[in-house]
Amino acid sequence: DAGVIQSPRHEVTEMGQEVTLRCKPISGHDYLFWYRQTMMRGLELLIYFNNNVPIDDSGMPEDRFSAKMPNASFSTLKIQPSEPRDSAVYFCASSVTGGSNQPQHFGDGTRLSIL
Amino acid sequence: AQSVTQLGSHVSVSEGALVLLRCNYSSSVPPYLFWYVQYPNQGLQLLLKYTTGATLVKGINGFEAEFKKSETSFHLTKPSAHMSDAAEYFCAVSQIQGAQKLVFGQGTRLTINP
Repeated sequence: DAGVIQSPRHEVTEMGQEVTLRCKPISGHDYLFWYRQTMMRGLELLIYFNNNVPIDDSGMPEDRFSAKMPNASFSTLKIQPSEPRDSAVYFCASSVTGGSNQPQHFGDGTRLSIL
Repeated sequence: AQSVTQLGSHVSVSEGALVLLRCNYSSSVPPYLFWYVQYPNQGLQLLLKYTTGATLVKGINGFEAEFKKSETSFHLTKPSAHMSDAAEYFCAVSQIQGAQKLVFGQGTRLTINP
């Protein structure tokens, strides 16, 4: 079975540039989560979707961040303009409906460096 | 609001020794509990979970955890550490009735000494 697929695995760009991270969830999963991981703040939930609809975006740090899920098999997280403090590893995860006892399945992450 | 506290950001044990990683949670209602493992340059993988029933839960790679409601704890153990267990471990909690999202602890980095 294919797991959660994220691209790119690594991204290095200059401050002010637009960054787009991509995620393909596991087929049949109807929840999708975006996380950010840093040494200082640990693992933070940014936003999550259910059936392509954003449910909770309270973790999105500021208006420079946006996320979309145009269909069940694709989601993007965009940062515009990017800043050095956005450097982190960004994870996408997906899960099935069935209650909050369902585990989340994580991709391998995108390591983002903003110079 | 829920929260998860992992005692000890770094734990070091010798190969063959007992592994004990501590997790305490704060929740107004009984939660579901999870342990995840993260190897370098990878995403998190589920080790085990507690939902209902038996309070001692067995997971992959010889790990197990015991849910103790009276102590609001869900500590992770393994009788004999292996070099391949070196990784970061995360405890997480979700509410039985509520949004399908997890609250994670800060993680514990486990080092295995030869």
